[in-house]
Amino acid sequence: NAGVTQTPKFQVLKTGQSMTLQCAQDMNHNSMYWYRQDPGMGLRLIYYSASEGTTDKGEVPNGYNVSRLNKREFSLRLESAAPSQTSVYFCASSRTGGFAGELFFGEGSRLTVL
Amino acid sequence: SQQGEEDPQALSIQEGENATMNCSYKTSINNLQWYRQNSGRGLVHLILIRSNEREKHSGRLRVTLDTSKKSSSLLITASRAADTASYFCATAALNSGYALNFGKGTSLLVTP
Repeated sequence: NAGVTQTPKFQVLKTGQSMTLQCAQDMNHNSMYWYRQDPGMGLRLIYYSASEGTTDKGEVPNGYNVSRLNKREFSLRLESAAPSQTSVYFCASSRTGGFAGELFFGEGSRLTVL
Repeated sequence: SQQGEEDPQALSIQEGENATMNCSYKTSINNLQWYRQNSGRGLVHLILIRSNEREKHSGRLRVTLDTSKKSSSLLITASRAADTASYFCATAALNSGYALNFGKGTSLLVTP
């Protein structure tokens, strides 16, 4: 079982460049999430999608856009990268359609913005 | 804003000892979850406890929840070197829909 797959695993960008982080899950889960993890800050929610066709902002959505392409895929786009977006990004998915249940995480995408 | 706060930030024990980590949160919750993260890896779900539950066990893990104090604890008994990791509590607040909010974590080091 692949679970949650994120690509790329590592990326270096220059300020102002754009990129898309891809996430796919093969567990037929309804909900998908994007978090960022910074030293000393824990995980902060960027965006989530409770079900196919819906997306909602989390705690730190500024500078990001998301697309729930289908039930399997949830992408995160940085339109104009800034050094403050240097972080480790985690995609997660959950089966439940109600309150947040158990999350399954990908291995992370490590992004550096110069 | 982040809902849960773990305490202590770092914990160092020897193999065989018990490790206790605490989590405090601010608003009413539907459930509280604990996750483990090994260095450089994604988070792995350990246990979920619902707001109407007071204690839950899974192997060497014991989780308690006190909704009146808005706090939870994670006990790892008979720790092993392989338990070395960061541990996070996460809360599903009643007013946050599907969002799960994480604390900053406790870094546990278990030495042989």
